[in-house]
Amino acid sequence: EPEVTQTPSHQVTQMGQEVILRCVPISNHLYFYWYRQILGQKVEFLVSFYNNEISEKSEIFDDQFSVERPDGSNFTLKIRSTKLEDSAMYFCASSDRADYQPQHFGDGTRLSIL
Amino acid sequence: LAKTTQPISMDSYEGQEVNITCSHNNIATNDYITWYQQFPSQGPRFIIQGYKTKVTNEVASLFIPADRKSSTLSLPRVSLSDTAVYYCLVGGSQGNLIFGKGTKLSVKP
Repeated sequence: EPEVTQTPSHQVTQMGQEVILRCVPISNHLYFYWYRQILGQKVEFLVSFYNNEISEKSEIFDDQFSVERPDGSNFTLKIRSTKLEDSAMYFCASSDRADYQPQHFGDGTRLSIL
Repeated sequence: LAKTTQPISMDSYEGQEVNITCSHNNIATNDYITWYQQFPSQGPRFIIQGYKTKVTNEVASLFIPADRKSSTLSLPRVSLSDTAVYYCLVGGSQGNLIFGKGTKLSVKP
């Protein structure tokens, strides 16, 4: 079964540094998402992306965050000037339709800000 | 998006059938009901989705009464590996998923 893959599995970064989290969605999917989950808390929606532009974003997704699909396979989340509270699991997901279709999640990148 | 209410936790033993009920009183006409499963340190995994009546796949069954104000996820003969958090989500007309706290299912030997 096709999978969403995310790299790295664990990223440790000093506060204030920039990080890029990478995702390879399922190849025929057109809709891409980033979610985060702070330890012990709910999975929270960050942003959705379709046709090379952001479709929707949450209040969490402020100017510190950006997404990009630099080529035909990768989907990245960049966090500038990281803060301690950015420490979380970040999940990438993809689907072949936006509505009513299940999203397929990767196993996440654990981001630890020191 | 319709708000969902589900038990915070449930315990079961191996081999038993587990039923997790989710309340969604404000479900809209075009909303679907979707259940996800999440193991520790893994991403959520789609289990099953339905609109009304009953849906069954190789993993679970989903029962939805006529008024659609609740739904029940049924896991037949659970094993230790079914220990996970189970999320009930209602909606789907938009792309973003809104997760609640889910139900933490603990299966004991």
